[in-house]
Amino acid sequence: GEDVEQSLFLSVREGDSSVINCTYTDSSSTYLYWYKQEPGAGLQLLTYIFSNMDMKQDQRLTVLLNKKDKHLSLRIADTQTGDSAIYFCAEDTGRRALTFGSGTRLQVQP
Amino acid sequence: GAVVSQHPSWVICKSGTSVKIECRSLDFQATTMFWYRQFPKQSLMLMATSNEGSKATYEQGVEKDKFLINHASLTLSTLTVTSAHPEDSSFYICSAKGLSNQPQHFGDGTRLSIL
Repeated sequence: GEDVEQSLFLSVREGDSSVINCTYTDSSSTYLYWYKQEPGAGLQLLTYIFSNMDMKQDQRLTVLLNKKDKHLSLRIADTQTGDSAIYFCAEDTGRRALTFGSGTRLQVQP
Repeated sequence: GAVVSQHPSWVICKSGTSVKIECRSLDFQATTMFWYRQFPKQSLMLMATSNEGSKATYEQGVEKDKFLINHASLTLSTLTVTSAHPEDSSFYICSAKGLSNQPQHFGDGTRLSIL
C-alpha cells in the first residue's frame, strides 16, 4: 500500500538549519518530491530525487534518501523567514498520481 | 522550466451555478493531468486522473456528474463544478505530467467560494 508520513510542525530560528523528515511505504517509488506551499498558494516544486540516488544538493537544499528505511529528508541550510511555509513530501510510483504526506508546517522565528 | 497555468485563481459565485477551472501546460505536452482538492490545513486529496482523449478516472467518493473533467488536448484540462453548493467551497489544484520519467508540475490553485 501507499502511505506517506511527516511530522506536522517544525520551528527553527532564522539562520539555523531545518530538517524535515518523511517516511513512505511503497518500495517501488521511482521519484520522491518535496513541494512548498505558501498560504493561499499552490504547490511549488522544490526538488526531487530519483530512487537510485541517496543524496541531492541544490543550493541551500539537501535531500537525503535512505531506501532501506524508506526515509526521506529535506535539509534547508541558513533558514530564512521566507522559508516559512508548509512542506509536502510525495512519492511517485509511476503508476498513478502522487501520494502526499500530510505536510510539515515550518515556522521560522526571526 | 515547465510551467502549469491554472485559471481562475479565485472565484466567488452563488449556489447553483457551475464553475469551470482551466489547467494548461505551457511548455510541454501533458499526457496526464491530475485534479486535487485541498481543505484548510489538510493535504491534497486526489479527485481524478485525466488522460488526453479518454474519460477521466475518478477516485472513490468523487461524483463524476458533479465534477466534470475534460482533457481535450495535450495542453488543456478543465474541471467543471456543476450546480455548486457551499460544501464545494475548497482549494482546487491541478497538476500535469509529461513523459513518465518527468516530475509533476502544479498549478497555483483555484480558490472556490460558493455563497
